[in-house]
Amino acid sequence: NAGVTQTPKFQVLKTGQSMTLQCAQDMNHEYMSWYRQDPGMGLRLIHYSVGAGITDQGEVPNGYNVSRSTTEDFPLRLLSAAPSQTSVYFCASNKGGNMNTEAFFGQGTRLTVV
Amino acid sequence: EDQVTQSPEALRLQEGESSSLNCSYTVSGLRGLFWYRQDPGKGPEFLFTLYSAGEEKEKERLKATLTKKESFLHITAPKPEDSATYLCAVRGSGNTGKLIFGQGTTLQVKP
Repeated sequence: NAGVTQTPKFQVLKTGQSMTLQCAQDMNHEYMSWYRQDPGMGLRLIHYSVGAGITDQGEVPNGYNVSRSTTEDFPLRLLSAAPSQTSVYFCASNKGGNMNTEAFFGQGTRLTVV
Repeated sequence: EDQVTQSPEALRLQEGESSSLNCSYTVSGLRGLFWYRQDPGKGPEFLFTLYSAGEEKEKERLKATLTKKESFLHITAPKPEDSATYLCAVRGSGNTGKLIFGQGTTLQVKP
């Protein structure tokens, strides 16, 4: 099993550019989420989805959009990149229904906005 | 407000020197306390889930315990390959499924 796969692993953007971070999981998990990890801030929830067609905001959603058209994929879109969005982004998935199960994380995307 | 505090921030041990990492938490309606290991440049790797006070889980040299206010990750006779950042996270009773993470403890085990 590949688990949770994120692409790209590294990305440099100019301020104002847009891009999509891809996330795919092959475990048939219903719940998927996006976190960002910043030094001194820990991991913080951006957006999450409890199943195909359903998304909602997390703790730090501003500047990001998500969609969930299939169970497998949960892309994160940066609408107009800002230096404050320089971070490492992690996608995670866990079994749905009961959201108290453990989350499995991808390898991360390191994004730099200049 | 839900909160997780880990201590110490960094820990250096000699190979074979046992120690414990602490995770103090405040959360309304604990739905799970999770321990993860994170290696540099990698995503968090799941280690344990604890759901109720008194619960313990073990895996190789690691043992996680839980009380109503804190969790400990005990490392017995560590090896250099145990060097990593250990993250603690809690999930509360809200509907988001959000994990609240601590800052992590970076462990270095010297041979």
